Amino acid sequence: QVQVQESGPGLVKPSQTLSLTCTVSGVSIDSSDYYWSWIRSHPEKGLEWIGYISSSGTTLYNPSFKTRVTMSIERSKRQFSLDLTAVTAADTAVYYCAAGILDFGVGLGWFDPWGRGTLVTVSS
Amino acid sequence: EMVLTQSPDTLSLRPGERATLSCRAGQSLSVPYLAWYQQRPAQAPRLLIYAVSTRAPGVPQRFSGGGSGTDFTLTISRVEPEDSAVYFCQQYADWWTFGQGTKVEIK
Repeated sequence: QVQVQESGPGLVKPSQTLSLTCTVSGVSIDSSDYYWSWIRSHPEKGLEWIGYISSSGTTLYNPSFKTRVTMSIERSKRQFSLDLTAVTAADTAVYYCAAGILDFGVGLGWFDPWGRGTLVTVSS
Repeated sequence: EMVLTQSPDTLSLRPGERATLSCRAGQSLSVPYLAWYQQRPAQAPRLLIYAVSTRAPGVPQRFSGGGSGTDFTLTISRVEPEDSAVYFCQQYADWWTFGQGTKVEIK
């Protein structure tokens, strides 16, 4: 069964880059059935979709992050990654990776499964 | 942005009672692109329902989804202690956005 698991530092200084990795197991990261996604949960704003990367490397990001987000994929390691630059306290959140399900006629639909999430705190 | 508003914030029920959770979209979803998730404490979110009313594999039959337009519901026909969790909805008709969640407490 498909599983995803986040990893990365739990503390990032303001203005620096938040970098997280998600390891995929149970399915090939090259599968065309999934858009590998990042979602975060902010204490006050709730859940926010950040973006996705496809197995071919196509990306789509939430416009609210403007140019701060970059996602990449490392096939040999079965991993995909998130970089968020110029972080502030507002980026403190639980970050989830998830397998975005591609539905015929819809494109990216729902997310299944999700990782357990990793808390990232932005503080000096 | 397609805003999803869930109600109530908290639902407190006894085992065996019926739970009805609401998810209201800021604009009509012209297509049935809505999902529901369950998140127990310290666990990953779990997909329950997609396409408004289709149960994900392994989800008990007591969970059902319905609705159309701007109003959608997740119903738990007879709650069990293990259903204590936060439930949130997600739409995929206009980018991807989530509701703020409803906490279900089982007394």
